[in-house]
Amino acid sequence: DTGVSQDPRHKITKRGQNVTFRCDPISEHNRLYWYRQTLGQGPEFLTYFQNEAQLEKSRLLSDRFSAERPKGSFSTLEIQRTEQGDSAMYLCASTPNTIPLEQYFGPGTRLTVT
Amino acid sequence: DQQVKQNSPSLSVQEGRISILNCDYTNSMFDYFLWYKKYPAEGPTFLISISSIKDKNEDGRFTVFLNKSAKHLSLHIVPSQPGDSAVYFCAAYTSNDYKLSFGAGTTVTVRA
Repeated sequence: DTGVSQDPRHKITKRGQNVTFRCDPISEHNRLYWYRQTLGQGPEFLTYFQNEAQLEKSRLLSDRFSAERPKGSFSTLEIQRTEQGDSAMYLCASTPNTIPLEQYFGPGTRLTVT
Repeated sequence: DQQVKQNSPSLSVQEGRISILNCDYTNSMFDYFLWYKKYPAEGPTFLISISSIKDKNEDGRFTVFLNKSAKHLSLHIVPSQPGDSAVYFCAAYTSNDYKLSFGAGTTVTVRA
């Protein structure tokens, strides 16, 4: 297993455009988390899935953000009508349901909104 | 509201000496505390953890201490090596959802 992967690694977009990020968790990991990290801060929780069910969304996740995990495998995070304040590193993590002690993070997607 | 705080943004230490990183938290419901290490352009990598029912956990050069009454934990790295230079994040979660609350991080620089 190669770990959690995210695509793309970098994305530059103009304000108002839509973007979509993908996360492929470690196979058979039931839980998948999305976090956002801005400069000088630690990652902040956005949302998480257990299998295909989205169980919680942070207040940070405005209605411009939507996440899916069809079939309980990979997940996508879409941001509509991007704003400059959306510029951040978007991190995905996965963890097995039975041993939740640690989350395995992907390398992240760096979003820059110009 | 920031439930996990790392008040020292940076730490510089001589190679071979001890690095001590500190973390404070406010949520008494946290069940587990973790330390993650992050290099530039990479995601955080799990380092060591401790359950709220313990006060110490050791793994090689890394030891984490938990003081529940003070809501404080610390990470000791002995001896520090140049490869330890990275950003270290303290994190915690409760067992009902396992979502991590992170501190802002401490940048450690190990001088040769």
